[in-house]
Amino acid sequence: DIQMTQSPSSLSASVGDRVTITCQASQDISKYLNWYQQKPGKAPKLLIYDASDLQIGVPSRFSGSGSGTDFTFTISSLQPEDIAIYYCQQCDSLPVTFGQGTRLEI
Amino acid sequence: QLQLQESGPGLVKPSETLSLTCTVSGGSIRSNIYYWGWIRQPPGKRLEWIGNIHYSGSTYYNPSLKSRVTIYVDTSKNQVSLKLNSVTAADTAVYYCARRPNDGNYFQNWGRGTLVTVSS
Repeated sequence: DIQMTQSPSSLSASVGDRVTITCQASQDISKYLNWYQQKPGKAPKLLIYDASDLQIGVPSRFSGSGSGTDFTFTISSLQPEDIAIYYCQQCDSLPVTFGQGTRLEI
Repeated sequence: QLQLQESGPGLVKPSETLSLTCTVSGGSIRSNIYYWGWIRQPPGKRLEWIGNIHYSGSTYYNPSLKSRVTIYVDTSKNQVSLKLNSVTAADTAVYYCARRPNDGNYFQNWGRGTLVTVSS
């Protein structure tokens, strides 16, 4: 299985800050990396797919980049409603696997 | 608007079979362009993919669970179901059903999830 490692595991930032989370795959996954947001007690929500494509309806302050083994997720200007846990997921090969999550706090 | 709703027992005894159903509304599971999946999340842990199914019957399972898992569809009821046998405490988790497109193994729509606890 492909191992996904996120960094950092937790992050504290202020409203308006630029926030960056990284995700590293244990092998080359091309562009097949997705990002989800999970708020407490809620299901995950797809934000970014195929490394950089913004899911319909997701605010443009969210973005993603990268390819191969190293990927970055960015919130350009942190909003209070962005407090959540963020997960990366590789879908290059089965079984699809998720990162351990990054807890974002204000 | 597409909605997915998981249902089933919240408590299962060790060694028994966990059975969950996902009822889909606002859309048909008889769509050629989507797969339906099950994902679980043990308390405080990362998400784990269980498997996917196409309404035609094509299935893909996580090898770590394959010997114990069955996913199937009931098109007459617009439902996707999950059975996991010989459960242990390690199977305690929130179970989600979700929908993904044919051309991408990312999950665009999710149910709210249901907590299943394995305990005697």
